[in-house]
Amino acid sequence: DAGVIQSPRHEVTEMGQEVTLRCKPISGHDYLFWYRQTMMRGLELLIYFNNNVPIDDSGMPEDRFSAKMPNASFSTLKIQPSEPRDSAVYFCASSLRLEGLAGVNEQFFGPGTRLTVL
Amino acid sequence: AQKVTQAQTEISVVEKEDVTLDCVYETRDTTYYLFWYKQPPSGELVFLIRRNSFDEQNEISGRYSWNFQKSTSSFNFTITASQVVDSAVYFCALSGDWYNFNKFYFGSGTKLNVKP
Repeated sequence: DAGVIQSPRHEVTEMGQEVTLRCKPISGHDYLFWYRQTMMRGLELLIYFNNNVPIDDSGMPEDRFSAKMPNASFSTLKIQPSEPRDSAVYFCASSLRLEGLAGVNEQFFGPGTRLTVL
Repeated sequence: AQKVTQAQTEISVVEKEDVTLDCVYETRDTTYYLFWYKQPPSGELVFLIRRNSFDEQNEISGRYSWNFQKSTSSFNFTITASQVVDSAVYFCALSGDWYNFNKFYFGSGTKLNVKP
């Protein structure tokens, strides 16, 4: 079975440019998460969706960041304009709703996109 | 608020040694979930285990074992007879508040170096 797919795997861009990161979750999963990982701040949740609806975007750093999930099999994270401090590895993850019980399942992570903003 | 502390930043062992990675968590909820993930040098995060707060039984999976102690709010991870392939960063995570379970809180990670 295919896992979470992210593209591109590496992105190098110049300050001020727009960057779009893409994610395809595991088929059938209800939840999709966007994380950012840096040495200074560790692993941070930016936003997550349930059934394509944004549930918690409190981790989105500022208005330059936006995320969409137009359908169950695709999501984008956009940074516009990009800045050097946005350089990080961005992970997408997905999970399946726990049937019948209040609770949570594990999240499955994609390989990440390493973003470098010069 | 939820919090996870992994006090060990980096650990180095020689192959075949046993090693324990510590995880201490804070929560006011009675229902919560704990997780361990492995991040090898390739960068992807790999799920290892999920444990809910009502199940305090220790778990063993091959060379891996987990010790969940609610009394000390700890969920420690032991690798027995470590191997070079175990070299990775290991993260402990805690589920969110009862109304936002899916918002995971990750610790800062412990880097494990296993030397041949």
